[in-house]
Amino acid sequence: NAGVTQTPKFQVLKTGQSMTLQCAQDMNHEYMSWYRQDPGMGLRLIHYSVGAGITDQGEVPNGYNVSRSTTEDFPLRLLSAAPSQTSVYFCASVWLETQYFGPGTRLLVL
Amino acid sequence: GENVGLHLPTLSVQEGDNSIINCAYSNSASDYFIWYKQESGKGPQFIIDIRSNMDKRQGQRVTVLLNKTVKHLSLQIAATQPGDSAVYFCAENRGSGTYKYIFGTGTRLKVLA
Repeated sequence: NAGVTQTPKFQVLKTGQSMTLQCAQDMNHEYMSWYRQDPGMGLRLIHYSVGAGITDQGEVPNGYNVSRSTTEDFPLRLLSAAPSQTSVYFCASVWLETQYFGPGTRLLVL
Repeated sequence: GENVGLHLPTLSVQEGDNSIINCAYSNSASDYFIWYKQESGKGPQFIIDIRSNMDKRQGQRVTVLLNKTVKHLSLQIAATQPGDSAVYFCAENRGSGTYKYIFGTGTRLKVLA
């Protein structure tokens, strides 16, 4: 099993550009989530999904969209990037309350 | 309010000594707690968990203590090794089955040789 994979590892965007952060897991976990991590802060929940076709907002959802068409994939979309979205983004899947995190995507918005 | 800071609290420990990392949680209704380890450039990694009906749980070289009276959680690492150097986060689950975790800001553990 590859576990939770994320692409890209690093991305630079200009203000106003859009992009999609990819997340995939091969463990057949129903629950997946996206977090952002800013310097000196804990992870904050952006969006989560309890299964294919079902998504919901977390703590900091503004500026982000998600969809869950398959169990395996949970992409995070930035429609119009802003410097405040500069952060490290982690995707996670959950099995029996244990979260398995991906390696993260470091995003810089200029 | 939210605890925001650019600099993480740091605990420096001599190799071989025991480490104690503390965490205060906010919601008395939280019923499940987890400790994570995050090495530089990597995602958080599960270490140990504890439910609110327990006061103590032990793993391999790690022990988690839960004090619900003062809403305090601690992680004890026995015989700290250089490989233990990382940032440690606690997380609380504010409702059974929701999987919506609130993470602490973290503590950096530095192991001195």
